[in-house]
Amino acid sequence: ETGVTQSPTHLIKTRGQQVTLRCSSQSGHNTVSWYQQALGQGPQFIFQYYREEENGRGNFPPRFSGLQFPNYSSELNVNALELDDSALYLCASSTGLAGTNTQYFGPGTRLTVL
Amino acid sequence: QQQVKQSPQSLIVQKGGISIINCAYENTAFDYFPWYQQFPGKGPALLIAIRPDVSEKKEGRFTISFNKSAKQFSLHIMDSQPGDSATYFCAAGGGSQGNLIFGKGTKLSVKP
Repeated sequence: ETGVTQSPTHLIKTRGQQVTLRCSSQSGHNTVSWYQQALGQGPQFIFQYYREEENGRGNFPPRFSGLQFPNYSSELNVNALELDDSALYLCASSTGLAGTNTQYFGPGTRLTVL
Repeated sequence: QQQVKQSPQSLIVQKGGISIINCAYENTAFDYFPWYQQFPGKGPALLIAIRPDVSEKKEGRFTISFNKSAKQFSLHIMDSQPGDSATYFCAAGGGSQGNLIFGKGTKLSVKP
């Protein structure tokens, strides 16, 4: 059984650019959640995908968007990058909704926006 | 109503001592309360979780105490070890909340 994996590990972009982050969920998990973790803060919920449909969204603007594929892997896309988007982006997978089921986190993607 | 307040922000404990981290929530619909441990450069790892039908849950050196009426829960780490030095996050979820709300974290340092 493989755990949650994310790619890339690190990424440097400039303001205004677009970025795509990828996540492979743990085997058997059908739900993927994305979180943004700023330095020294707790993870903040961005959105959740359940069986390829968005199921819940946090307080993030529409330039944060995502996809979930039939194999339950997922992408997070961020358009028009801003300096404040610099953070660790975490993906977590679970069987069912993240609010009541155990979530397993990946190692994260460190995004730096210059 | 969606906040989870965590304290202290940082904690220094001697090896062998007890580390205690506290969290408070507001939304009475929450029914799932996990604790995560995070080492630098890594993603959070589930440590232990509790649901409100019990007041305490113990796994090895880690214990969650839960007070439903006070809307508070805490993590106790017994016989703290230097390897426990990490950032700990409490979280809450459930009800109509399809995601977890995290506290701001507690940085624990265990001195040898």
